[in-house]
Amino acid sequence: KQEVTQIPAALSVPEGENLVLNCSFTDSAIYNLQWFRQDPGKGLTSLLLIQSSQREQTSGRLNASLDKSSGRSTLYIAASQPGDSATYLCAVQGSSNTGKLIFGQGTTLQVKP
Amino acid sequence: NAGVMQNPRHLVRRRGQEARLRCSPMKGHSHVYWYRQLPEEGLKFMVYLQKENIIDESGMPKERFSAEFPKEGPSILRIQQVVRGDSAAYFCASSPERAPEAFFGQGTRLTVV
Repeated sequence: KQEVTQIPAALSVPEGENLVLNCSFTDSAIYNLQWFRQDPGKGLTSLLLIQSSQREQTSGRLNASLDKSSGRSTLYIAASQPGDSATYLCAVQGSSNTGKLIFGQGTTLQVKP
Repeated sequence: NAGVMQNPRHLVRRRGQEARLRCSPMKGHSHVYWYRQLPEEGLKFMVYLQKENIIDESGMPKERFSAEFPKEGPSILRIQQVVRGDSAAYFCASSPERAPEAFFGQGTRLTVV
């Protein structure tokens, strides 16, 4: 049974810092991995999707890496801003590509001005 | 192209009543997924539907919960005889035919009093 873990559960940093959020999964047979952002009381916004054959994806100040063999992904946020404050969720899709996502508990990030 | 539309955004029900949550997928999307986010917990998969078919309902509670995605109209998640433990945010996502990325709605926040 696939399990997804995110560490740390919460993180507080001053504005301008570079930071790394971690995601690990127990079954390396995944179809893809996605990072989402969730603002309080809101829905999910997809940030980056990494296919199982890819090693990383970049979008602006965000970079996500994937190491299937070790069951790990990281989300790197460069030059953090107060507007980055949100909960970041990691989700994996199993190898059968049913579209079903298994989510981690999330990392709640606070960027202080 | 409007995003995934969920309504109502907020729903209050008394114990024992029925709750009906609606999800209109993005135009051209034929796959719908429902997830539940309990307070202080991560998102959990409930059910995956295509038009007129339930593909995977492995995350649905065995009793009181049902889902449908008719040929015409929105997908409906129905909860009968609600209990306080059903209070949660319910999210719907949609995707095109077997595409890797799903798009999420803003969610319906159900409160059972």
